[in-house]
Amino acid sequence: LAKTTQPISMDSYEGQEVNITCSHNNIATNDYITWYQQFPSQGPRFIIQGYKTKVTNEVASLFIPADRKSSTLSLPRVSLSDTAVYYCLVGGTSGGYNKLIFGAGTRLAVHP
Amino acid sequence: DADVTQTPRNRITKTGKRIMLECSQTKGHDRMYWYRQDPGLGLRLIYYSFDVKDINKGEISDGYSVSRQAQAKFSLSLESAIPNQTALYFCATSDRRDAYRETQYFGPGTRLLVL
Repeated sequence: LAKTTQPISMDSYEGQEVNITCSHNNIATNDYITWYQQFPSQGPRFIIQGYKTKVTNEVASLFIPADRKSSTLSLPRVSLSDTAVYYCLVGGTSGGYNKLIFGAGTRLAVHP
Repeated sequence: DADVTQTPRNRITKTGKRIMLECSQTKGHDRMYWYRQDPGLGLRLIYYSFDVKDINKGEISDGYSVSRQAQAKFSLSLESAIPNQTALYFCATSDRRDAYRETQYFGPGTRLLVL
């Protein structure tokens, strides 16, 4: 199973760009990288997914270097409502086996 | 995600009681999952199902059982509840576009307290 390592917590201020890096040294060739966001007492919500290089959507960007051993979630100009836990997941289900593992995530606190 | 619903949203029960948590989805996904989350921790997988006739244990299945009654319904049972099963329980479905890429959609959660 591809294990991921993320910072336990981060602090930022409104209007700043936040970058959260995830390490996944043993990522498999076909694994995708997916990020989820979770607010207190709610289920995680899909943010972005990618395989290599850069992916951008309306809420975030995902940067993946050529070796794919890490990835960085970038949140542009955060607001107080971006305070949440962010999870990095690698892999999916293959051969009937579920590889998705939610670690402890990164707790982001955005301050006024 | 409003397409994934869980009932009840909150439940208080006593040690030794049997309880069932229910999950329904209108997303048309084949794959469904049950997770539990303890305060300050990530989600841990209890059971998952890739199809109506398919049931698989996750990392913490002891003390739990599941039933996949239909594509849209996946129930989690605690046969004899114990206090350390107090947690937040999430149901999820997944959109599996290929063998290695899928997105999970989560319900609102059920908060369970076992006294």
